[in-house]
Amino acid sequence: KAGVTQTPRYLIKTRGQQVTLSCSPISGHRSVSWYQQTPGQGLQFLFEYFSETQRNKGNFPGRFSGRQFSNSRSEMNVSTLELGDSALYLCASSLSDRAIHTEAFFGQGTRLTVV
Amino acid sequence: KNQVEQSPQSLIILEGKNCTLQCNYTVSPFSNLRWYKQDTGRGPVSLTIMTFSENTKSNGRYTATLDADTKQSSLHITASQLSDSASYICVVSGNNDMRFGAGTRLTVKP
Repeated sequence: KAGVTQTPRYLIKTRGQQVTLSCSPISGHRSVSWYQQTPGQGLQFLFEYFSETQRNKGNFPGRFSGRQFSNSRSEMNVSTLELGDSALYLCASSLSDRAIHTEAFFGQGTRLTVV
Repeated sequence: KNQVEQSPQSLIILEGKNCTLQCNYTVSPFSNLRWYKQDTGRGPVSLTIMTFSENTKSNGRYTATLDADTKQSSLHITASQLSDSASYICVVSGNNDMRFGAGTRLTVKP
């Protein structure tokens, strides 16, 4: 059974640009959640989607957005990139509709570097 | 102040030895507490997940305990192996959010 797949694995962008990251959940999982991990702040919850609807949102500016498609695949978008957005972005999938209450399986992450 | 505090920040032990990592939290209301293992450059892998009513859960050589009254959890690793070298992250969920500890960086030396 394939795990959570995130693409691309590595990305370098320039300040002011925008970026889209992709996440394919484990087959049969309908919940996808996104996280940002930096050395200074550690892991932080971005948002969670279930059945194409955002269920929960962390404390991040509106430049961070996401969506989920009917096949449960999800994308997150960061607009007007800042140097501080450089981080490992992790996606996790869960079987139920509340990732915060059930086991979440993480992908390998996308390493974003903003220069 | 972070609502999930982990200690120690880092730990070095010899292969074969046991160790215990600590997690104190103030998240309220409480839904569950999880321990994850994260190898460098990889996504976290779930070790245990415990709800309010559970006070011990094991996963092989990993045993997690939870005291919901004192809001403390520990992760005990038995007979450590070189492959246990990783960051261990404590995650506490409330009703609508998740709070992450900063992690404990464990190094197991031969």
